[in-house]
Amino acid sequence: EVQLLESGGGLVQPGGSLRLSCAASGFTFSSHAMTWVRQAPGKGLEWVSSISGSGGNTYYADSVKGRFTISRDNSKNTLYLQMNSLRAEDTAVYSCAKAWVESGGYFDNWGQGTLVTVSS
Amino acid sequence: IQMTQSPSTLSASVGDRVTITCRASQSISEWLAWYQQKPGKAPNLLIYKASSLESGVPSRFSGSGSGTEFTLTISSLQPDDFATYYCQQFNSYPVSFGPGTKVDLK
Repeated sequence: EVQLLESGGGLVQPGGSLRLSCAASGFTFSSHAMTWVRQAPGKGLEWVSSISGSGGNTYYADSVKGRFTISRDNSKNTLYLQMNSLRAEDTAVYSCAKAWVESGGYFDNWGQGTLVTVSS
Repeated sequence: IQMTQSPSTLSASVGDRVTITCRASQSISEWLAWYQQKPGKAPNLLIYKASSLESGVPSRFSGSGSGTEFTLTISSLQPDDFATYYCQQFNSYPVSFGPGTKVDLK
């Protein structure tokens, strides 16, 4: 059974940093791209960033480019999202999702998410 | 690629046939997925590649379309189906979701 467990969320001041983690199990981690998707309170789904299975290709939404960095450690089956220069509009539940294939595609398994609140 | 959905809210009764439309701002071939999300829960994949039913998803759900126009149909709405539905294109990065369609009780 595929399991994705996010951690690292919390309350942070504007301009601060946070590192999210997603521990994966139940599948061959390096064979699948991974993604971060966020959902602000009462809003829809927003794609944030994706990384290929090898980690060689990364992709970012314009809203986070230059501030967020996605990475993965295939030896630890763990996905990361380093978030710097956080803004109030980054407040959301951040979920990791497993993509269909190594290069990307649709998301067939999702974690429950971790809440990030950016506020002074 | 911009994704739009209509309607934004749909009021329906148990047993109704429900159709949600998703449009892409440019052709995405068949590279479209549909998700169902209930409050406080993670999204659940229903349909991938426009018309392929994900394993374990009831057969009352179906998808169709290609290019720029797609539909999700629920043939006979069940109590468990009241939720928000999102389309997502995976033709190219940046990946994008539609704004969602909330299906509620009439």
